[in-house]
Amino acid sequence: SYVLTQPPSVSVAPGQTARISCGGTNFGSEGVHWYQQRPGQAPVLVVYDDNDRPSGIPERFSGSKSGNTATLTISRVEDGDEADYYCQVWHSDSDHVLFGGGTKLTVL
Amino acid sequence: EVQLVESGGGLVQPGGSLRLSCAASGFSFSSYSMSWVRQAPGKGLEWVSYISSSSSTIYYADSVKGRFTLSRDNAKNSLYLQMSGLRDEDTAVYYCARGRCTPVSCYSGVAIDYWGQGSLVTVSS
Repeated sequence: SYVLTQPPSVSVAPGQTARISCGGTNFGSEGVHWYQQRPGQAPVLVVYDDNDRPSGIPERFSGSKSGNTATLTISRVEDGDEADYYCQVWHSDSDHVLFGGGTKLTVL
Repeated sequence: EVQLVESGGGLVQPGGSLRLSCAASGFSFSSYSMSWVRQAPGKGLEWVSYISSSSSTIYYADSVKGRFTLSRDNAKNSLYLQMSGLRDEDTAVYYCARGRCTPVSCYSGVAIDYWGQGSLVTVSS
C-alpha cells in the first residue's frame, strides 16, 4: 500500500514558525492539500494545490512542494492554531486518495 | 451557504448493513464530485470512496471495496453509502465531503473544500 508520512507531533512557541512535512510518494504533478482539524470538529481546508489558500484562511498558512516532500508552513503561530494537520494527495497509480497520518501541532 | 448533513449512522452488529445518506444544499450538487472520509476514534482521516459529478467514475479504498457501494441522486441533491459486511474496524465517524471543483478542474485529485459534521457508525456485538 502507499503511505504519506507525517511527523506525529510538532511543537512551537507562539509567534514562531511551524513546519509540517509530508512525504513518501512521488507526487508528480498532483496537487497536495492540507487540512486543519480541531478536537471534535470536522476538518477545514487550509491549503490546496500545493500552495493556494481558500478564502478566509490567513496568509500565515502557506504550502510548498519539492520532489517527494510537501511542507505546510504556519508563520507567527497563534494559540488557535493548535490542532491536528493532515496532508492529502491523489495517487493515480492506485486510483486512491491518500491521507497522511496527521501531525499534532502543540503551541507551547 | 454550503451544507452537508449526514444521517443514517448508529449501532450495528458485525456482518450487518447500514446506509448513510448525505443531504446537500447551498450549491449546484450535480456539478461537484463527492467523497466519504472516515475517522476511527482517536485515529487519523481515512478516505473511503469517491464519486464523480455524473456518477461515471467511482473509486473505493481497498479496505471497503466489495462491501461498500457509493451512489448519488443529483435530482435529490443526495449522496449515499451502502455499507454491508460491516466489521469492528469500520467503527468511525463518517464524513460526507465535497470536491473543490471548478469549470477547469473537477476530478479525483481536487481538494475537499466542504465537510459535513459527520455520522458515527459503531460496529459491535
